[in-house]
Amino acid sequence: DGGITQSPKYLFRKEGQNVTLSCEQNLNHDAMYWYRQDPGQGLRLIYYSQIVNDFQKGDIAEGYSVSREKKESFPLTVTSAQKNPTAFYLCASSIDGGRSTGELFFGEGSRLTVL
Amino acid sequence: QKEVEQNSGPLSVPEGAIASLNCTYSDRGSQSFFWYRQYSGKSPELIMSIYSNGDKEDGRFTAQLNKASQYVSLLIRDSQPSDSATYLCAVTAGDSSASKIIFGSGTRLSIRP
Repeated sequence: DGGITQSPKYLFRKEGQNVTLSCEQNLNHDAMYWYRQDPGQGLRLIYYSQIVNDFQKGDIAEGYSVSREKKESFPLTVTSAQKNPTAFYLCASSIDGGRSTGELFFGEGSRLTVL
Repeated sequence: QKEVEQNSGPLSVPEGAIASLNCTYSDRGSQSFFWYRQYSGKSPELIMSIYSNGDKEDGRFTAQLNKASQYVSLLIRDSQPSDSATYLCAVTAGDSSASKIIFGSGTRLSIRP
């Protein structure tokens, strides 16, 4: 079945540790996104990528890093520089970004808790 | 000023009534507009998209867009308990970064029996 797979679903991290969240899609979509959601809040854009080997910062990129070495993969690293990383992280993809429909398909999310 | 603004709610509507959700956006160049529904603890799912001024209907849902007023709304007719969720408005950036999709903070909708 086509879709977006995020892993792990739940992750606990000690302060000062880097963690990497995985996002894989088999929809052959060009664009991929990472959003962060805090309790009772909307989605805030961390990074997005329109094509392989290219990505842009969103509104809250500080303390995060990404790579896009393959079309189907867009991992997110939460670094120790991110001061308040406890949140629900959502990965999404779209066929070709906003240039056509911009419709997003989401993974099931990864819930990160810093102990 | 936030790029996409929504009333956070909660909005309480009796079962069978019409729920009206509103969203304003600041980027006049935005071309694509979306409504996503998100149940608690789950990821958002697209329920409506609209690209031109006017109304777009799909079953019990109607999206309305007014680009001059920078306003997009969602009407839910014959509201059902299963419609209780958070509704997120999203728009694409109007500049060359058209792939950038910005969300509002969401409106919590509660359908009371």
